[in-house]
Amino acid sequence: EVQLLESGGDFVQPGGSLRLSCAASTLTSNIHALTWVRQAPGKGLEWVSGINVGSGVTYYADSVKGRFTISRDNSKNTLFLQMNSLRADDTAIYYCAGGSSGWYLDYWGQGTLVTVSS
Amino acid sequence: DIVMTQSPDSLAVSLGERATINCKSSQSVFYSSNNKNYLAWYQQKAGQPPKLIIYWASTRESGVPDRFSGSGSGTDFTLTITSLQAEDVAVYYCQQYFTTPHTFGQGTKLEIK
Repeated sequence: EVQLLESGGDFVQPGGSLRLSCAASTLTSNIHALTWVRQAPGKGLEWVSGINVGSGVTYYADSVKGRFTISRDNSKNTLFLQMNSLRADDTAIYYCAGGSSGWYLDYWGQGTLVTVSS
Repeated sequence: DIVMTQSPDSLAVSLGERATINCKSSQSVFYSSNNKNYLAWYQQKAGQPPKLIIYWASTRESGVPDRFSGSGSGTDFTLTITSLQAEDVAVYYCQQYFTTPHTFGQGTKLEIK
């Protein structure tokens, strides 16, 4: 069973930057893909970005393309999300989620809260 | 982007009765090369992260009770919960993982009548 633990959420002003981390109990051997999914307060789930753990190929939602960068450090079993030019509508709980056999998400972290406000 | 539309937005069902949630995709999520529908269902209880319950449209995740079932193909999918239990109260989301971005439906809130 893979455990995922997010960190790095904080209160930040519009235009600011933040780097989220997701520590996995194991990465390359048990996980095919890792994804960031966010949930604004009282709202539904929004897929943000994903990475194929083996190949490193990355994907982004249009809403974050050019502002967010997903990356992973397989040696440290850690996933990152570098978030730049943050806006108020980026305010959300950010979940790290993983797919053991594909892109459906069978492992989820508890989430980390990002608040963007002046 | 593929748009996922769930219906209804909310649903109240009596204990022991059947609950049915629908999900429609704006384009097919069926891949003919492997005969699979790239559709998953998640359950999110209050204050918790989502939990995978169904993948490949109809494969139940390990440990999920068999009262949960998924069906459908192409663009139209259904999550059925037979004999609703109190612990099934949650918001349910469908998600396509056929093409990025892997979009979610807006969610269906399931309550006890």
